[in-house]
Amino acid sequence: QVQLQESGPGLVKPSQTLSLTCTVSGGSISSGDYYWSWIRQPPGKGLEWIGYIYYSGSTYYNPSLKSRVTISVDTSKNQFSLKLSSVTAADTAVYYCARAHDDYGDFYFDYWGQGTLVTVSS
Amino acid sequence: SSELTQDPAVSVALGQTVRITCQGDSLRSYYASWYQQKPGQAPVLVIYGKNNRPSGIPDRFSGSSSGNTASLTITGAQAEDEADYYCNSRDSSGNHVFGGGTKLTVL
Repeated sequence: QVQLQESGPGLVKPSQTLSLTCTVSGGSISSGDYYWSWIRQPPGKGLEWIGYIYYSGSTYYNPSLKSRVTISVDTSKNQFSLKLSSVTAADTAVYYCARAHDDYGDFYFDYWGQGTLVTVSS
Repeated sequence: SSELTQDPAVSVALGQTVRITCQGDSLRSYYASWYQQKPGQAPVLVIYGKNNRPSGIPDRFSGSSSGNTASLTITGAQAEDEADYYCNSRDSSGNHVFGGGTKLTVL
């Protein structure tokens, strides 16, 4: 059973960089079938796709966040990471990591971490 | 980027059938996936592709698509189905978007 677990600071100051790591267990991040994803949800609001990375390092980002987002992968640790720069209060959200599967054109997020709340405040 | 539109709230009587819809241009080319989210929990995949259910999802959940509209149908809604439901799709650029979510109330 694949499990994902987010980790990182729960409080970030405005203008600084938010950094989170997702540790994957029960499966290899190097499997070529999956994309490793970040999704966020502001309190009381809906889901927003941030981006994802393939094990080879290819990345795909939400155009609205692209200038501030970096997703990287460390296959030796079976982890992938998110960095979001120049944060403001609008970036306060629960951040989820998730596994995405491209199944012959059917694309879906089949495993999710429990989520971690990141608050942007001075 | 593309957008997906969902009704903010839908209600259904216990044991009855309810359809939750998702509209967007990208749905003419790609199937939606559907996620159930209960308060304080991570989303759970309930439908993907043409009409596929992950292991452990009850068969009262089904999906369909026509034109620019995808639908999630719950046949015989149960109290435990009360949750927020989100659709997701990608567009031709490889970007992904979630619908705004539908809050389902089971009466």
